[in-house]
Amino acid sequence: AQSVTQPDIHITVSEGASLELRCNYSYGATPYLFWYVQSPGQGLQLLLKYFSGDTLVQGIKGFEAEFKRSQSSFNLRKPSVHWSDAAEYFCAVGPNRDDKIIFGKGTRLHILP
Amino acid sequence: EAGVTQFPSHSVIEKGQTVTLRCDPISGHDNLYWYRRVMGKEIKFLLHFVKESKQDESGMPNNRFLAERTGGTYSTLKVQPAELEDSGVYFCASSQDRVGTLFYGYTFGSGTRLTVV
Repeated sequence: AQSVTQPDIHITVSEGASLELRCNYSYGATPYLFWYVQSPGQGLQLLLKYFSGDTLVQGIKGFEAEFKRSQSSFNLRKPSVHWSDAAEYFCAVGPNRDDKIIFGKGTRLHILP
Repeated sequence: EAGVTQFPSHSVIEKGQTVTLRCDPISGHDNLYWYRRVMGKEIKFLLHFVKESKQDESGMPNNRFLAERTGGTYSTLKVQPAELEDSGVYFCASSQDRVGTLFYGYTFGSGTRLTVV
């Protein structure tokens, strides 16, 4: 069955520090992978996506993610976080044959001043 | 271009009452999805419309939930009667077609936070 695992429920980093949010997936075919962010009071916003080609993808707000097929991972990174990055981040895979996107449980990012 | 609009943004109702959530997708998007996130859990699929037809409603929890999409435009999700476990954030998303989903992902609304007390 298709699934997405985000092992970290909460992560706290200091402003200016680097960030890596982990995501592992289980998918029967070549995955389409997404990272979404939900800021307080906002909807889900697409940060970046991977379909094929270069395994390092760039997204908005200075985020990037690397697809590693051998590890079934699609970790999200940012070299230097800003206080405004405090939000909840969701990794997702799909769409499957039923056109669904499957989401992980999310990682809530806290930023220390 | 206007995004996906959902209202109300918040709703607090008593157990046993009825609530109707509304979603207006991006104009021209044939695909409309409802998802729900219960506190601390993953965002789970509820159902998928293609135009006015229900393509997949396998995620609907039970028959207390009824979704409609009149004329292939806006959609409503009615919960009747509401139970405590229905509390959560209900997201609506739309996409133009499957290729659009692949290239752009879904476009989500800001969600409706439903609290049943």
